[in-house]
Amino acid sequence: GESVGLHLPTLSVQEGDNSIINCAYSNSASDYFIWYKQESGKGPQFIIDIRSNMDKRQGQRVTVLLNKTVKHLSLQIAATQPGDSAVYFCAESGGSYIPTFGRGTSLIVHP
Amino acid sequence: GAVVSQHPSWVICKSGTSVKIECRSLDFQATTMFWYRQFPKQSLMLMATSNEGSKATYEQGVEKDKFLINHASLTLSTLTVTSAHPEDSSFYICSASGQPRNSPLHFGNGTRLTVT
Repeated sequence: GESVGLHLPTLSVQEGDNSIINCAYSNSASDYFIWYKQESGKGPQFIIDIRSNMDKRQGQRVTVLLNKTVKHLSLQIAATQPGDSAVYFCAESGGSYIPTFGRGTSLIVHP
Repeated sequence: GAVVSQHPSWVICKSGTSVKIECRSLDFQATTMFWYRQFPKQSLMLMATSNEGSKATYEQGVEKDKFLINHASLTLSTLTVTSAHPEDSSFYICSASGQPRNSPLHFGNGTRLTVT
């Protein structure tokens, strides 16, 4: 399940399950959204992005959903694998082109 | 794909010394580079935005005289932590933005700085 506290929220799933990581953004003027994956001790890696003129975009095993009405973004990972264990960040940007990062969610995949 | 190289990956230094961290875009020209600081189990905190050929823009609360940023070319930005103290120990990450401006950032693998 998902827990929220002083540290990163954590989502624990079993290998093979689908994972859904959520993100609420704050700036209604943001028009570009990105999901990044950060493995321990490394820099973030780009996963998938979506622009505000879309509400869904699919990649390989990943889908991003954008709900502009409630300013919510989600990342769905199909058939989660142990290698998906990492911290996932959403980021938003708009006219300033300077992305703002969300709090992050730690995904733990149990074999 | 676009690659950003950050060096060193880790460094240990004594209090009072300065440390320089390099960030290079290897196969693209980066008009803008961003420097972040990350504490354990926390998100990335933007420190400054550096544009090639001009002064860096620092975020509120970040001391520009302590964290010197130079972006002298389209492929290299450096962050120098001057007169380092133990509280400066952290994970520093750079990222580079190519074109178009609203496109994914390419991140370096970070530098773990430990000040003793």
